[in-house]
This record gives sequence, C-alpha cells and structure tokens, in this order.
Amino acid sequence: GAGVSQSPSNKVTEKGKDVELRCDPISGHTALYWYRQSLGQGLEFLIYFQGNSAPDKSGLPSDRFSAERTGGSVSTLTIQRTQQEDSAVYLCASSFVAVRNEQYFGPGTRLTVT
Amino acid sequence: AQKITQTQPGMFVQEKEAVTLDCTYDTSDPSYGLFWYKQPSSGEMIFLIYQGSYDQQNATEGRYSLNFQKARKSANLVISASQLGDSAMYFCAMREKRNNDMRFGAGTRLTVKP
Repeated sequence: GAGVSQSPSNKVTEKGKDVELRCDPISGHTALYWYRQSLGQGLEFLIYFQGNSAPDKSGLPSDRFSAERTGGSVSTLTIQRTQQEDSAVYLCASSFVAVRNEQYFGPGTRLTVT
Repeated sequence: AQKITQTQPGMFVQEKEAVTLDCTYDTSDPSYGLFWYKQPSSGEMIFLIYQGSYDQQNATEGRYSLNFQKARKSANLVISASQLGDSAMYFCAMREKRNNDMRFGAGTRLTVKP
C-alpha cells in the first residue's frame, strides 16, 4: 500500500512569498503530524491533527504558519511571507490514534527561502 | 517545557560492539508510549522499537532493545553488535495518551567505526 506522500519534494521560494506544502497520509490514519527539521537538528513539532481538528497548535512558530486538514485526509501547511529562517525540511507523519501506534513519515519537503 | 531529553549529541562505537543511547522523559500522564527512530543520511525516518508505560518487560526487536527504567523516566536504546549501517541519527520520542501528540528529542548522531 501507499505510504505517506508529500509534495513538492523541493521548493525554492523568494523571501516574502507564500508557500503551500501538502501531505497525503496513509489511508485510514486519523492522526496527522507536521514537524520541521533544520539541517542536522531534531524534529520540531508544529501541529497535530486528529481527524480534521487540531487539538494542539502550540508548535506553530508564528502567525505566518497555518495548517488545515480536510476530509480527514489531506493536509496543507501554509507559510505566509516566508523568511529565510523558514528554510528547513518539513516532515509529515500519520498514524492510527492509540498510544502504541508508531508514526509513518513522508519523505519531507525541502524548503529553501532565498 | 522540554519533555524528551537526549544528552548525547554524538556517539562513536566500534563495529561489532554494543552501544547505549540515552533518553529521559518527563510526563505526568500514567499512560504513554516511547519510541525510537533512526534517520540515516538519506533523511527517511525509520521506526525501530516501542515501549509502553504499562509493559512489564523491556522491548526487544532484533539487535535493538530498550532499557526501560520507569521510576527514573529513562528509555535508553541498546544496539548490540553494531554494524556500519547503523551510523545515523537516532531520535527518542514520546506519545502521551491524554493528548496523543508525539514529541521528539534532539537526537544522537551515532558513528560506527570499522
């Protein structure tokens, strides 16, 4: 079966532009997570969806970041007025909703803001 | 507040020897899960092993075992008989039942020497 997919795989954008990153989770996974990983660093938690609702938005770095999920499936992460410090790999993961279920990660979107 | 702590930014081990990667965590939720992931230079996140807070025995998966000390809130990963292919970043993560989000530690970069 298909794993978690993300698009685009790479995105280069100019400072100040808006970008949209997309995540297609594994079918049936109700939990969806977004993380940000700077080069050589750990995973910074951004947001978590259970179904279409986001019980925890505490990780979003600023109000330029927003995310939505529709139909309990696809999610988009939007970054408005991008800044150079937004450059990172954005990882999406999905899982079933239970403590013991591991996350399955997508390949990530590498965002470069010039 | 930081919930997952990995105090070893980098570790070296000789091929065929065992190595322990440290992880401590903090939670007041009695029900939680602990996970270890491997991230090779290719960037993919690979699930290794899971330990539940109510599990009586330490988890094992092939050459991986988890040294779970609940009272000390530690969940160290032990890799036996290290192989060159084990060189990667290793992340410890925790999911609490009450909110279901998944937080990661800063990671440990393991290098296996021939």
